Amino acid sequence: NAGVMQNPRHLVRRRGQEARLRCSPMKGHSHVYWYRQLPEEGLKFMVYLQKENIIDESGMPKERFSAEFPKEGPSILRIQQVVRGDSAAYFCASSPGLELANYGYTFGSGTRLTVV
Amino acid sequence: GQNIDQPTEMTATEGAIVQINCTYQTSGFNGLFWYQQHAGEAPTFLSYNVLDGLEEKGRFSSFLSRSKGYSYLLLKELQMKDSASYLCAPTGANNLFFGTGTRLTVIP
Repeated sequence: NAGVMQNPRHLVRRRGQEARLRCSPMKGHSHVYWYRQLPEEGLKFMVYLQKENIIDESGMPKERFSAEFPKEGPSILRIQQVVRGDSAAYFCASSPGLELANYGYTFGSGTRLTVV
Repeated sequence: GQNIDQPTEMTATEGAIVQINCTYQTSGFNGLFWYQQHAGEAPTFLSYNVLDGLEEKGRFSSFLSRSKGYSYLLLKELQMKDSASYLCAPTGANNLFFGTGTRLTVIP
């Protein structure tokens, strides 16, 4: 049973390009969470999705960032027109249900985005 | 809103005991997780507390006081491999909130 799979592991983009980060949750998990971790900082919640639904996007920047979790396929975090400040590690986590009290999260290995 | 406070850095000696404190304020609180994160790696689950009191799991124990908004992680018989960041993560309504983490350095 594979864990949470994120790809790519490392991504380099020039300013103004688009970045697409992918996350496949653990088998049987239908809840996906994206977090961003800036160097020397804590994990900041971005968005919580279930299949085909965005449940909570209160941590997403209002512009350039979007997320989806289609019925088929991985969850995608999309960053348009990247800027140097977007350089960070982006972690995806999944859970089998809303009851975090019972399950907590399983994290993927993250995608390290570098904007040059 | 939410607020999570834990020390930024701690240093302890191999074989010793260290306690990492965390105070928190979150809405929709149900319980509190502790995660370990080695540099450049994903956070990994250490412990979970939903009721007040101490949960012991091998060398690691975690304590929660819901009324005080306080938790601590206790690490015993420290090993060099315990050098990592330790993240306090209280639950919110829909997700976990993470503090900036405590970077623990274990020295010989």
